[in-house]
Amino acid sequence: TQLLEQSPQFLSIQEGENLTVYCNSSSVFSSLQWYRQEPGEGPVLLVTVVTGGEVKKLKRLTFQFGDARKDSSLHITAAQPGDTGLYLCAGRNYGQNFVFGPGTRLSVLP
Amino acid sequence: GAVVSQHPSRVICKSGTSVKIECRSLDFQATTMFWYRQFPKQSLMLMATSNEGSKATYEQGVEKDKFLINHASLTLSTLTVTSAHPEDSSFYICSGRQGGYQETQYFGPGTRLLVL
Repeated sequence: TQLLEQSPQFLSIQEGENLTVYCNSSSVFSSLQWYRQEPGEGPVLLVTVVTGGEVKKLKRLTFQFGDARKDSSLHITAAQPGDTGLYLCAGRNYGQNFVFGPGTRLSVLP
Repeated sequence: GAVVSQHPSRVICKSGTSVKIECRSLDFQATTMFWYRQFPKQSLMLMATSNEGSKATYEQGVEKDKFLINHASLTLSTLTVTSAHPEDSSFYICSGRQGGYQETQYFGPGTRLLVL
């Protein structure tokens, strides 16, 4: 069983601050995804990374896949209240379904 | 991206009754659908995986006779919570995937179940 850990579990910051959240595992993944989920809604896919060392940017969000494909980070620049939500990472290996991490709950205060 | 809908969005029922939740892929054919439950402030817990036309595969600890899953077509899967109890109250989310493991899952908006 592939287990994913996410840190921090909770994060509360002021608008305009930068932050980084992490997704770690002892297993190697063929691909890893990040989702954001707002209260009362389903998760929305933000990005998929498949290559070790890969960096993808989505506006103020920067995603990085570790060289060994065991970990990933999500960095948000100048956070806004609209970034508030539960950030989930999910990893999978070849021929397997995605497994979700426990999530990081982010609160950005105006 | 592809769209998945769920119905109802919220349901309240009495203990002992059964509740059916529908999950539809609106603009793609979901060969595989997944059902998750999520307790407050927690992550998604996979309940079962279903492929169209075949029996669902349930995760360890999920009672298949209590959570009945039917994936009768490429655009519809249903989850029936039988003889619901208050501890079944949760947020149930489905997702659909077109194609193999490498394909993206698209999530529905979730159904909040409250059992009184």
